Amino acid sequence: NAGVTQTPKFQVLKTGQSMTLQCAQDMNHEYMSWYRQDPGMGLRLIHYSVGAGITDQGEVPNGYNVSRSTTEDFPLRLLSAAPSQTSVYFCASRAGGTDTQYFGPGTRLTVL
Amino acid sequence: DAKTTQPTSMDCAEGRAANLPCNHSTISGNEYVYWYRQIHSQGPQYIIHGLKNNETNEMASLIITEDRKSSTLILPHATLRDTAVYYCIVRVGRDTGTASKLTFGTGTRLQVTL
Repeated sequence: NAGVTQTPKFQVLKTGQSMTLQCAQDMNHEYMSWYRQDPGMGLRLIHYSVGAGITDQGEVPNGYNVSRSTTEDFPLRLLSAAPSQTSVYFCASRAGGTDTQYFGPGTRLTVL
Repeated sequence: DAKTTQPTSMDCAEGRAANLPCNHSTISGNEYVYWYRQIHSQGPQYIIHGLKNNETNEMASLIITEDRKSSTLILPHATLRDTAVYYCIVRVGRDTGTASKLTFGTGTRLQVTL
């Protein structure tokens, strides 16, 4: 049971490039979320999903897209990277009817 | 979700109890108090949660005041590995449309020292 996995661990992009941050969980959790963490700002919710085929926006969704075609996977797409998207990105999941969220190890993204 | 207020930082000697306070004076009747922590360079980790009664698990105890306007997380015997940022979060109960949302503030940076 690997829990929540994220790839890549580190990524450097140039402004305007696109990429997808991968997130997968093997716990059959219904709920999945993406957060970004910036110094002095705590974690901010980008997008979340309450089940396969259902997604919704969080606090800071601009510049990011998500989809949830399977229960296991919840990729986060940056369409045209900007320096303001330099951050650490965390994916999380939890089971319906429970309160505990499990977080992945994070992806450290730098946009030049 | 109700807003929380926590001290920016605290120190604790190893082996002593660490008591981390949190104010949530605007908490609603259906909102739970959650605690997570984040050790440097890792993802956040769930610790404990409660509604109105005090709670205890293998990691910590949670004391919620009778009026529910504040709470305290207690690590009974802090170790160096407990050095982390601790987040107090208040949100509505599970299984609502926004149940995945955890609004993290800036938390309390706990430094455990020898």
